[in-house]
Amino acid sequence: DTGVSQNPRHKITKRGQNVTFRCDPISEHNRLYWYRQTLGQGPEFLTYFQNEAQLEKSRLLSDRFSAERPKGSFSTLEIQRTEQGDSAMYLCASSPAGALAHEQFFGPGTRLTVL
Amino acid sequence: DAKTTQPNSMESNEEEPVHLPCNHSTISGTDYIHWYRQLPSQGPEYVIHGLTSNVNNRMASLAIAEDRKSSTLILHRATLRDAAVYYCILRAHNNAGNMLTFGGGTRLMVKP
Repeated sequence: DTGVSQNPRHKITKRGQNVTFRCDPISEHNRLYWYRQTLGQGPEFLTYFQNEAQLEKSRLLSDRFSAERPKGSFSTLEIQRTEQGDSAMYLCASSPAGALAHEQFFGPGTRLTVL
Repeated sequence: DAKTTQPNSMESNEEEPVHLPCNHSTISGTDYIHWYRQLPSQGPEYVIHGLTSNVNNRMASLAIAEDRKSSTLILHRATLRDAAVYYCILRAHNNAGNMLTFGGGTRLMVKP
């Protein structure tokens, strides 16, 4: 399967713990995006990378959130000191770079539950 | 990015055409119109996009009003597999990162 993959698919944690999610984009895609989706809502943009550079961060991305893409390939999203309000589906997407690259390819998501 | 308005839900019969409307009255001249859909328990999936002219691809057709203030996604023959939430999204031409701003979408239910 050459699509976007995300691990783990599900994560249950206790409030205050740190969690880390991984996203492996489609191999030739320069751009990688993180979105968050709560129940009944559309996804909300969090951040995006072009290669290893993090070029945009949403106001939703509090200081407890950090994302990296160290070699311009896979990316990690870490949430420190999790809160119950962090419970959501975390979606990763990738696309080629360029103004004509209209299509984003999404992974299946990581569902986080904070108890 | 400008805002879009879609009905919360729609129902269709299997094998019949479905017309999903989207209003975007504040669209600017160079905003692209994108449609994505999200099947249950999956990430969103690109469906189609357009700027001014109507567009067709293997999944659907996109009809854009002449004033561009509304558009309609057309599924020519709905199948049970088309049951999903459909999102109409505007992407500004100067959105260099191509980030997507999703609204609430339309939940399409397909009856056998």
